[in-house]
Amino acid sequence: EAGVVQSPRYKIIEKKQPVAFWCNPISGHNTLYWYLQNLGQGPELLIRYENEEAVDDSQLPKDRFSAERLKGVDSTLKIQPAELGDSAVYLCASSLGQGRGDEQFFGPGTRLTVL
Amino acid sequence: AQKITQTQPGMFVQEKEAVTLDCTYDTSDQSYGLFWYKQPSSGEMIFLIYQGSYDEQNATEGRYSLNFQKARKSANLVISASQLGDSAMYFCASRNSGNTPLVFGKGTRLSVIA
Repeated sequence: EAGVVQSPRYKIIEKKQPVAFWCNPISGHNTLYWYLQNLGQGPELLIRYENEEAVDDSQLPKDRFSAERLKGVDSTLKIQPAELGDSAVYLCASSLGQGRGDEQFFGPGTRLTVL
Repeated sequence: AQKITQTQPGMFVQEKEAVTLDCTYDTSDQSYGLFWYKQPSSGEMIFLIYQGSYDEQNATEGRYSLNFQKARKSANLVISASQLGDSAMYFCASRNSGNTPLVFGKGTRLSVIA
């Protein structure tokens, strides 16, 4: 069974440029998460989807970040314009969505460097 | 709000020895889950073990066991017979009841020495 797929793995851009990350969750997983992981920290939630609906986006900086999950499968996270402080690893995870013991499966992440 | 505290930024252990990684949590919910993830240098978060707040026995998964002390709000990870491949960052995380996101600690970097 294929795991969570993310692309690109690495991205280097200059500040004020736009950037987009793509995530393909495990087949059949209804819940999809985007996490931000700064260097030396644990991941922090940006947004959570139940199928195609964003049910928790309180931590998403909406002035520059946007996300979508069309048809409740793949998801895209966009930053426009990027700032130096956005340099981090962006992790996508998915789960079946079956309560507190529900295991989240993570992708390899996209490491973003903003120059 | 939930909070996870991992007080050990880094740990060293001799190969084949056991090691305990500390984790304390703070939540007002009665129903919650506790998780440990491993993050090697490749970056992927790998699920290791899960403990539910109502589980009476400590969780075990192969060489991993979770020392769950509910009254102390601690959920320490014990790795037995350490291997060189265990060298990685280890994150403790929790989630409350329902389909809520994980809250992670800052992690502990484990280095296994030959």
